Amino acid sequence: SAVISQKPSRDICQRGTSLTIQCQVDSQVTMMFWYRQQPGQSLTLIATANQGSEATYESGFVIDKFPISRPNLTFSTLTVSNMSPEDSSIYLCSVEVYNNLRDRGPDNEQFFGPGTRLTVL
Amino acid sequence: DAKTTQPNSMESNEEEPVHLPCNHSTISGTDYIHWYRQLPSQGPEYVIHGLTSNVNNRMASLAIAEDRKSSTLILHRATLRDAAVYYCILRDWGNDMRFGAGTRLTVKP
Repeated sequence: SAVISQKPSRDICQRGTSLTIQCQVDSQVTMMFWYRQQPGQSLTLIATANQGSEATYESGFVIDKFPISRPNLTFSTLTVSNMSPEDSSIYLCSVEVYNNLRDRGPDNEQFFGPGTRLTVL
Repeated sequence: DAKTTQPNSMESNEEEPVHLPCNHSTISGTDYIHWYRQLPSQGPEYVIHGLTSNVNNRMASLAIAEDRKSSTLILHRATLRDAAVYYCILRDWGNDMRFGAGTRLTVKP
């Protein structure tokens, strides 16, 4: 299993500013993921972040808007840049825990952080 | 990614069984069926997953149709704490976890 914490838990920001969200895991993990959940909606995958490599972004999300760092196997940050009210969402960090010490697989379990609730005025 | 279809919402009475359906008619032979749930103001949490056979764990049971084109998550005795959005997700090798709209379960006392 994995226990994930996120900072901040919530924030209210002014448009045009940037916010960096931190994700800390209590164990070393290879794959980390960032999701966005807009009000009343389901989760949308923003990007996957491997330690030591550039994040891979989903269609509709770009590095200039959502830069991600992954400096080690227990930590990642997501920055929401040049914010607008449309960026008001919950941002969630997630990790994949490997079964039986093998690599990624479709039967692996994912654990999620509590989310960061962002409001942009 | 294969698509799943779930009812938008369902209601249940407390302490009664709940059957949450999921259709996935375009499922591939290597797609795993995952169920996650999201309690209010929390991140999603794992419930159960399976490939072909029915699965049981302490939280729920997963019944998978013989042709694998549908599955049912079974909560044997719903409690108020089970009120959540339940997501049925297909995941294949090399693919990431992607969420559909899910089913919002309301549990009535």
